[in-house]
Amino acid sequence: GNSVTQMEGPVTLSEEAFLTINCTYTATGYPSLFWYVQYPGEGLQLLLKATKADDKGSNKGFEATYRKETTSFHLEKGSVQVSDSAVYFCALRGAGSARQLTFGSGTQLTVLP
Amino acid sequence: ETGVTQSPTHLIKTRGQQVTLRCSSQSGHNTVSWYQQALGQGPQFIFQYYREEENGRGNFPPRFSGLQFPNYSSELNVNALELDDSALYLCASSSSGGQSNEKLFFGSGTQLSVL
Repeated sequence: GNSVTQMEGPVTLSEEAFLTINCTYTATGYPSLFWYVQYPGEGLQLLLKATKADDKGSNKGFEATYRKETTSFHLEKGSVQVSDSAVYFCALRGAGSARQLTFGSGTQLTVLP
Repeated sequence: ETGVTQSPTHLIKTRGQQVTLRCSSQSGHNTVSWYQQALGQGPQFIFQYYREEENGRGNFPPRFSGLQFPNYSSELNVNALELDDSALYLCASSSSGGQSNEKLFFGSGTQLSVL
């Protein structure tokens, strides 16, 4: 079945530091890949997505590239802000009849001023 | 603000009881899915409804059941509550029936505590 393995946290960075959160996946075929963010007390929000190999998703300074050869979708940001503090989830959705999103366990990011 | 609203926001029940959670989809969305998020974990797919029919189910027992109404709002029912059912329950709506690249809009969730 499908699975997502995500870098364990928590991750604590200073403002303006570089961020990488690793994500690898196992799936048959060509899944779509997503990063969701969850701020305290809120539901999940889509941060970015990529639907085929070598696609780069980007939003709000965050980027992730769909690497089929390494089955990875690492999240990066060049300069984090305090407001980026949240829990980040990597997820995939299989092609064909698969309906559900399969999530990783989440990475808590705290950015200090 | 996603336009997906869930009620109640918090709920406390005792083991063996039954619970109903509600979700109002974003306007124009005909697909709703439910997820269970245990503390410190990623969400786990429970099931999905498309135009009032269940069209996908995760690895949850039959005591987890659902409904989708003609206005596309939805309910999640859990019978015979167990302590391990304590979790945040998330509802998500979308407009395309479960295509692999579609965007889901999540509500803020219902925090269920089973004592």
